[in-house]
Amino acid sequence: GENVEQHPSTLSVQEGDSAVIKCTYSDSASNYFPWYKQELGKGPQLIIDIRSNVGEKKDQRIAVTLNKTAKHFSLHITETQPEDSAVYFCAASIGGGGADGLTFGKGTHLIIQP
Amino acid sequence: DGGITQSPKYLFRKEGQNVTLSCEQNLNHDAMYWYRQDPGQGLRLIYYSQIVNDFQKGDIAEGYSVSREKKESFPLTVTSAQKNPTAFYLCASSTGGLGYEQYFGPGTRLTVT
Repeated sequence: GENVEQHPSTLSVQEGDSAVIKCTYSDSASNYFPWYKQELGKGPQLIIDIRSNVGEKKDQRIAVTLNKTAKHFSLHITETQPEDSAVYFCAASIGGGGADGLTFGKGTHLIIQP
Repeated sequence: DGGITQSPKYLFRKEGQNVTLSCEQNLNHDAMYWYRQDPGQGLRLIYYSQIVNDFQKGDIAEGYSVSREKKESFPLTVTSAQKNPTAFYLCASSTGGLGYEQYFGPGTRLTVT
């Protein structure tokens, strides 16, 4: 089955700087790659996603890039703010449209230092 | 007010007892999922259902059971056969088929002593 590796496990950046979180996946059949933000004690919230027919997608301060050849994708957050502090998870879906579930990375605890 | 609800938020049970976690959605989504989250770990898929009256095992189904009698409901039973049931349980739903996005509920924290 699919295996998703996520790095780093903890990332501390100064407020206003950029943060980058990287994930690799194992199965070339994966075609959907979402990113989730989880605050303490809450369910994950979808913040951005990318499909395998696209190389990059941006939404205001966040962007995701996908390299299908290397089987890795990354989350970029620019101009970080205190409210960006949370745990971020990447995921990959193999097969049709994610209806058979997502495989998640182990998460990155992002800490924004004031 | 559309969304996914899970109840209760906190649940405590004695070892050897079965317990059922509730998940309801009013998003008219066909597909529903149950994940388990342990500290410092990603989410792991327990069961999923793409349509009413049908469900499939995920990666860690042993010790769990589900039912999908209604489109909006997907309860999860943690049985006494589950060796390490204490965890944070998350329910999600999606439109299924070509609808990739999965939306999560707030979770239920189960503690078994």
